[in-house]
Amino acid sequence: DADVTQTPRNRITKTGKRIMLECSQTKGHDRMYWYRQDPGLGLRLIYYSFDVKDINKGEISDGYSVSRQAQAKFSLSLESAIPNQTALYFCATSAPGQETQYFGPGTRLLVL
Amino acid sequence: KQEVTQIPAALSVPEGENLVLNCSFTDSAIYNLQWFRQDPGKGLTSLLLIQSSQREQTSGRLNASLDKSSGRSTLYIAASQPGDSATYLCAVCSGNTGKLIFGQGTTLQVKP
Repeated sequence: DADVTQTPRNRITKTGKRIMLECSQTKGHDRMYWYRQDPGLGLRLIYYSFDVKDINKGEISDGYSVSRQAQAKFSLSLESAIPNQTALYFCATSAPGQETQYFGPGTRLLVL
Repeated sequence: KQEVTQIPAALSVPEGENLVLNCSFTDSAIYNLQWFRQDPGKGLTSLLLIQSSQREQTSGRLNASLDKSSGRSTLYIAASQPGDSATYLCAVCSGNTGKLIFGQGTTLQVKP
């Protein structure tokens, strides 16, 4: 089984809808991250969390919110989806002192 | 603000060639630099991590170098194989927060 899982893997939604992307990990890591990837732009950090009570904005947090329900779960919400949020979204985890990040398979989101 | 650039955006080589992928960054005050591989439909896989105090790291046919003073890193792939075809991403970590700044990636195609 994969260490970092994301659901759904693909999602089509309409402008104005609220949607949630979920991430779960079995690695026992404290740190979790949400990134988005756009063609030609690499990955950009949306939010990150060092533990259940420590959540921080990344470089492009506007229009997004997150929830760290447990050490193993970190959800990303789009409160009112807009077309320019169409992208590939990745969740990642890491452990303090071990800088390597482990990525989920990604969620492909299309906002119409 | 740290910026990471990868050149070229795409590269096509015949099988067996040795090749070099380039990564440059604007702020030399980094914590570490990481190289990832991304396959279509899958998440990112960490290939090599170079700490700021190190000059290079090796794993099998891969060798990554780091020159902080010039703001450059290279990923050397020896004896390329069709299975090496993927997108290679460079990412810089500027502190022990684990926050990564990614380059745009280089898409490599190795032809049989």
